[in-house]
Amino acid sequence: ILNVEQSPQSLHVQEGDSTNFTCSFPSSNFYALHWYRWETAKSPEALFVMTLNGDEKKKGRISATLNTKEGYSYLYIKGSQPEDSATYLCAPSSGGYQKVTFGTGTKLQVIP
Amino acid sequence: DAGVIQSPRHEVTEMGQEVTLRCKPISGHNSLFWYRQTMMRGLELLIYFNNNVPIDDSGMPEDRFSAKMPNASFSTLKIQPSEPRDSAVYFCASSDTGELFFGEGSRLTVL
Repeated sequence: ILNVEQSPQSLHVQEGDSTNFTCSFPSSNFYALHWYRWETAKSPEALFVMTLNGDEKKKGRISATLNTKEGYSYLYIKGSQPEDSATYLCAPSSGGYQKVTFGTGTKLQVIP
Repeated sequence: DAGVIQSPRHEVTEMGQEVTLRCKPISGHNSLFWYRQTMMRGLELLIYFNNNVPIDDSGMPEDRFSAKMPNASFSTLKIQPSEPRDSAVYFCASSDTGELFFGEGSRLTVL
């Protein structure tokens, strides 16, 4: 079982602030790293799936980087908006690539 | 396009009863996952299938839990007998290229 750690557990930011979260995972037997956005009362939705060391992906104001050698990924949100309020989940997969194990997430609250 | 479809959305049952949760994955997806969401442990992977074959069921908590995937368009997660500690939201997800697509979840309450 992959030991996935996300930090911080929660944070509050003002609208317009930029923020970032960290996901750390064991670097051995790594296959891919997923980021998901989970709004209250909804289902998780994929943001990014990254596989290569040094990968950087961007979707609008949200971007992510991956370091597979040291076992971490960062998620950045530029100019946070209230609609960004959600829990952001990191999920590495290993071995047979489909075993996707979720961290406990970072809960973001953007204050208008 | 239809996403992952789960049923029932809500289930309230009494301890000792059998519970069956159902999932229809997105057509063409070859992998299916069952997760359980609890306050204490977040999203736990219970079991996943690839091409209808169970690949890893190490997350299934105990023998009371079983899962099947008789064909590419249907899977069940069964709990027999159910216990109050099984109360949780159970999510099904499917995938073809790696990204998971989740259903809306089945909220189970065992009294």
